[in-house]
Amino acid sequence: AQSVTQLGSHVSVSEGALVLLRCNYSSSVPPYLFWYVQYPNQGLQLLLKYTSAATLVKGINGFEAEFKKSETSFHLTKPSAHMSDAAEYFCAVTRMDSSYKLIFGSGTRLLVRP
Amino acid sequence: DTEVTQTPKHLVMGMTNKKSLKCEQHMGHRAMYWYKQKAKKPPELMFVYSYEKLSINESVPSRFSPECPNSSLLNLHLHALQPEDSALYLCASSQDRAEYSNQPQHFGDGTRLSIL
Repeated sequence: AQSVTQLGSHVSVSEGALVLLRCNYSSSVPPYLFWYVQYPNQGLQLLLKYTSAATLVKGINGFEAEFKKSETSFHLTKPSAHMSDAAEYFCAVTRMDSSYKLIFGSGTRLLVRP
Repeated sequence: DTEVTQTPKHLVMGMTNKKSLKCEQHMGHRAMYWYKQKAKKPPELMFVYSYEKLSINESVPSRFSPECPNSSLLNLHLHALQPEDSALYLCASSQDRAEYSNQPQHFGDGTRLSIL
């Protein structure tokens, strides 16, 4: 069964520093992977998705993620953090059975220090 | 601006009240979802509608009753809720069918529900 693990419930970076949020997946078949962001008092917004077309995926707001099959990883990065990036980030994988449910990781809260 | 609209944004109700949450999308999506999200947790799937028919019920208590009147609307009827039901309730939509399983779900901003 598909699953995702997000390492680190909290990540703190300085404004302008590199952002790295980790996500590892478990899947016996090529997965469909997503990163979502949730700002306070809002719903989830899609940052980017991996659907096997390219291993390096570019998303909105300067974020990108690289699919590494050998490491079963799909880490999210941004070269330079902005204060407005402070939010909760969820990695998710589509469950590849008849349900096609979205399976979420536990989430990582990104804190950006001035 | 979100393409999935949820109303109301906030709802406070007593344990004996009956209320409804509403969700609307006009993206032509044929799958719609209800999620419950507690603070500092990921969303938990409650129900899935596919082509206006209930396809998944994640063993949700009967005090939550979903309804899909048409392909654009999704309701969640609430009755006799408990304090532990206080949470953010999110609606989402997506393309349906297996060949669209790589398509993302689009979320609304949710209804913040408080049970007194």
